[in-house]
Amino acid sequence: DAKTTQPNSMESNEEEPVHLPCNHSTISGTDYIHWYRQLPSQGPEYVIHGLTSNVNNRMASLAIAEDRKSSTLILHRATLRDAAVYYCILRDSVEYGNKLVFGAGTILRVKS
Amino acid sequence: NAGVTQTPKFRILKIGQSMTLQCTQDMNHNYMYWYRQDPGMGLKLIYYSVGAGITDKGEVPNGYNVSRSTTEDFPLRLELAAPSQTSVYFCASSTSPTYNSPLHFGNGTRLTVT
Repeated sequence: DAKTTQPNSMESNEEEPVHLPCNHSTISGTDYIHWYRQLPSQGPEYVIHGLTSNVNNRMASLAIAEDRKSSTLILHRATLRDAAVYYCILRDSVEYGNKLVFGAGTILRVKS
Repeated sequence: NAGVTQTPKFRILKIGQSMTLQCTQDMNHNYMYWYRQDPGMGLKLIYYSVGAGITDKGEVPNGYNVSRSTTEDFPLRLELAAPSQTSVYFCASSTSPTYNSPLHFGNGTRLTVT
């Protein structure tokens, strides 16, 4: 499985944008970039995914570098409820089982 | 809309006891997964299933067994519980294999083995 590298933790002020980086220099052509987040005492929840183009949804935006070796999850206005662990995961679209392999993720703290 | 339901929410076991963690989903998803999460760590895959009657090992299968007799249910069995199995267990499901199908997770079972 291709690996991702994320900072251990980041801090943001409430109502400011947050940019969460992820490096994935060994990404393959069939890997999709997925982001999940885990709120305290809950299971992970899907945030967004993409392949090559930037993606937007109601939760966040995903900016993917042209060479696909890095990506950034963007929360446009952080709220206290966005405090969570954010996981950047490469998911092989042709792999049997479509498994997700979780790393340690980035702990996001949001200050009021 | 229940999604993925896990029972029990909490359990304390003595060393050597056995138990079954229950997981059921009402979304007619073919794919189901069991993960464990140790304190301060990411999730590790224990077992997964791509459909009824088919199961496969993940990264950390030792000490666990699974079965998948129906699409809805994917129970995880612990035989001879050990302190190393103290963890939070998450069950997840997704639709048939496409890159667009996110995993839906339950809220977990917190297990302590003493």
